[in-house]
Amino acid sequence: GIQVEQSPPDLILQEGANSTLRCNFSDSVNNLQWFHQNPWGQLINLFYIPSGTKQNGRLSATTVATERYSLLYISSSQTTDSGVYFCAVIVRGSTLGRLYFGRGTQLTVWP
Amino acid sequence: NAGVMQNPRHLVRRRGQEARLRCSPMKGHSHVYWYRQLPEEGLKFMVYLQKENIIDESGMPKERFSAEFPKEGPSILRIQQVVRGDSAAYFCASSLDGISGNTIYFGEGSWLTVV
Repeated sequence: GIQVEQSPPDLILQEGANSTLRCNFSDSVNNLQWFHQNPWGQLINLFYIPSGTKQNGRLSATTVATERYSLLYISSSQTTDSGVYFCAVIVRGSTLGRLYFGRGTQLTVWP
Repeated sequence: NAGVMQNPRHLVRRRGQEARLRCSPMKGHSHVYWYRQLPEEGLKFMVYLQKENIIDESGMPKERFSAEFPKEGPSILRIQQVVRGDSAAYFCASSLDGISGNTIYFGEGSWLTVV
């Protein structure tokens, strides 16, 4: 099956710092989504971004589908950004809706 | 992801009991998916359902687990004779249709603890 690798596995930042999270995937994809799982376990959609660049406030994401990677940028991080960030993809041609998740990046933001 | 409703949020079962988890998709969505998150891991696909149909259950354990999405009412994930290894977070997701180019929305999860 497709491999979805996220880096770094852990990231510790001070409030106000910027960060870049990476997601590499091993096959062509139809769908790529970024999620934030907060410390209470809730899974929150951040971006649907199979290609191109999107921005939402302090967060932005870029997917270069031809090179099989996506980046999530967090600027001016806040303590509420803490949690696990997951990248998930749907392989081109696979069962619709079957997302393959990476193992996540655990982000801790200190005040 | 607001709109995909799961209940219960937390469920404690003794070994050998049955667990039933319910999921109501977002309004207008007819495609439902169940995922499981084991401790310290990402989410793994279990099953994909449409109304009254199981489309793909290749991620579901062969025994003790079943899922349905009836014509009326929520989708149900049922785990019979639970064991400690079933302790996990179970997430339901829904989408407007089966086109993979659409966003898939997740509920807040149901945490099952088997004691």
